[in-house]
Amino acid sequence: QVQLVESGGGVVQPGRSLRVSCAASGITFSSFGMHWVRQAPGKGLEWVALISYDGSNQYYGDSVKGRFTISRDNFRNTLYLQMNNLRPDDTAVYYCAKSETHMIGSLNFWGQGTLVTVSS
Amino acid sequence: QSVLTQPPSVSAAPGQKVSISCSGSSSNVGNNYVSWYQHLPGTAPKLLIYDNNKRPAGIPDRFSGSKSGTSATLDITGLQTGDEADYYCATWDSGLSEVFGTGTKVTVL
Repeated sequence: QVQLVESGGGVVQPGRSLRVSCAASGITFSSFGMHWVRQAPGKGLEWVALISYDGSNQYYGDSVKGRFTISRDNFRNTLYLQMNNLRPDDTAVYYCAKSETHMIGSLNFWGQGTLVTVSS
Repeated sequence: QSVLTQPPSVSAAPGQKVSISCSGSSSNVGNNYVSWYQHLPGTAPKLLIYDNNKRPAGIPDRFSGSKSGTSATLDITGLQTGDEADYYCATWDSGLSEVFGTGTKVTVL
């Protein structure tokens, strides 16, 4: 069955960097676009970034543009989110999610999330 | 800041129906497919509706979606206690981003 497992979350100081990962199994990973979506404490879902099936196109939400980078390794079936210059308002549970198509479309499967806390 | 507006909360008794609206614009809802997600905090969100009104395998037909112009609606009939959760609409925006609704908490009275 489809499994998306996030890892790499933790506590990090403001201004520092962190990379979170999402390991996929049970799917032909290289065929699908992949998203990162986050939820801050007490807030709703916020879309973070999208990468196309082959990694050639990336899109970002306004709040992370220029600071976060989405990437993927189709040989390792793994999605990444490199987060630089972190701010306290980046504190959230970060979910990876699979697109129904090679790029945009519904997010038809989600991982359980990894918590990132930005605090001094 | 979300560009899709949903009511903060809706409620009804078991067995009744609730409707959740999702209001957007021509740059998002008006020209793209809408999806709906169910989310219990601390768990993985689940896709309920895609392409405005289609249900993935395993989603009961108590959940249905529709779209008209720049608004979409999720209906839940035969409400059950297990339906208590947060619900979000989402779609692609021509500004090259996925956008989520503000979220609606469903309470079963």
